[in-house]
Amino acid sequence: RKEVEQDPGPFNVPEGATVAFNCTYSNSASQSFFWYRQDCRKEPKLLMSVYSSGNEDGRFTAQLNRASQYISLLIRDSKLSDSATYLCVVTWANDYKLSFGAGTTVTVRA
Amino acid sequence: NAGVTQTPKFQVLKTGQSMTLQCAQDMNHEYMSWYRQDPGMGLRLIHYSVGAGITDQGEVPNGYNVSRSTTEDFPLRLLSAAPSQTSVYFCASSPSGNEQYFGPGTRLTVT
Repeated sequence: RKEVEQDPGPFNVPEGATVAFNCTYSNSASQSFFWYRQDCRKEPKLLMSVYSSGNEDGRFTAQLNRASQYISLLIRDSKLSDSATYLCVVTWANDYKLSFGAGTTVTVRA
Repeated sequence: NAGVTQTPKFQVLKTGQSMTLQCAQDMNHEYMSWYRQDPGMGLRLIHYSVGAGITDQGEVPNGYNVSRSTTEDFPLRLLSAAPSQTSVYFCASSPSGNEQYFGPGTRLTVT
């Protein structure tokens, strides 16, 4: 079983829609959680960290559910520029190794 | 401030050839790492370093060597290229090991 699993999508949504997707992780000792964004044929870039109480950054909301071992990302009022692959990343305490999910592809159409 | 730079951007090798992928960062980050990205598999950690003179293996280290003689540079060496090493390679640096800053990647094809 992979350490971090994501629904690959694609999620195809119209502009202005809300889209949400999850990422599950297998190690209950997981410590830190992040969402990265990767545009086609580009390098990944940090979108946001995920905090235990949940957090927002503009139109993006991240949630953590430790009991069920998943994190989520919600995008409100989708823009064409939100089209990308979103990577879930999990780390463990005192371990520099990050585990990446394979990504969820979101396509926002006009 | 160039961030993380990688060279070359593209490379084609024949099976058995060796080469070095270059990575440099100008942010004075202690932590650097190399990943490969294959379709449907996400990024997988090859090797990483927590400071000059210190390196360690990641998830898929076989066939690759690294060294870290300076804080700025972290080259990745392919010892004897194989078709299974066809991939996109990303170098990353981090001030803490969590937030990673990635280079633009090297697309490697081994024939």
